[in-house]
Amino acid sequence: QVQLVQSGAEMRKPGASVKVSCKASGYTFTAYYIHWVRQAPGQRLEWMGLINPTSGGTDYAQRFQGRVTMTRDTSISTAYMELNRLRSDDTAMYYCARVNKGYCSGGTCYVYTMDVWGQGTTVTVSS
Amino acid sequence: DIQMTQSPSTLSASVRDRVTITCRASQSISTWLAWYQQKPGKAPNLLIYKASSLQNGVPSRFSGSGSGTEFTLTISSLQPDDFAIYYCQQYNSYPWTFGQGTKVEIK
Repeated sequence: QVQLVQSGAEMRKPGASVKVSCKASGYTFTAYYIHWVRQAPGQRLEWMGLINPTSGGTDYAQRFQGRVTMTRDTSISTAYMELNRLRSDDTAMYYCARVNKGYCSGGTCYVYTMDVWGQGTTVTVSS
Repeated sequence: DIQMTQSPSTLSASVRDRVTITCRASQSISTWLAWYQQKPGKAPNLLIYKASSLQNGVPSRFSGSGSGTEFTLTISSLQPDDFAIYYCQQYNSYPWTFGQGTKVEIK
């Protein structure tokens, strides 16, 4: 079945970096974007950015520009999200999710959103 | 960024009640709106996309409506499994943004 399986919980000190993985199975990895979303305790979901597994192209939310790097390894159908210069307010659950790339036909464009999510990875930042 | 605001923040209801949650966008998003259900310790689960399209496998008691800036999620007959937090999300433009969530709790 279609699933995204993320790496395990991480603990880091302020100023450190963390890299979370997201392994896809049950579908063609390059047919879907991978998006990353985080959720701090008691807070709303926050979109961080996306990667196109085919090209490696990325689009990051402005508030994470310069601190986040999204990459992928198509040979093992895995996407990665690395967050640098961690702060205590980066403590959150981090999710990956897939998004159909969509298409345009006959003047109509078909746009999709996040239909399959990983189980989440807890990142705790504390001194 | 497009701001998404849900109301109410908390909703107390009983099994078999009809429940409606509202989501407002700070600018028009056409029908590029999704609804998710999230249970404690779990990832969000897509219920509705393109404002009113039911995701495969989602019970028909869930429905969505709206366009532009105002949207609703309706649960026609609340079931025990439906007590959860519901989020709206716009995908009209980046950065994608979410509402603050509506907690549906047992009355």
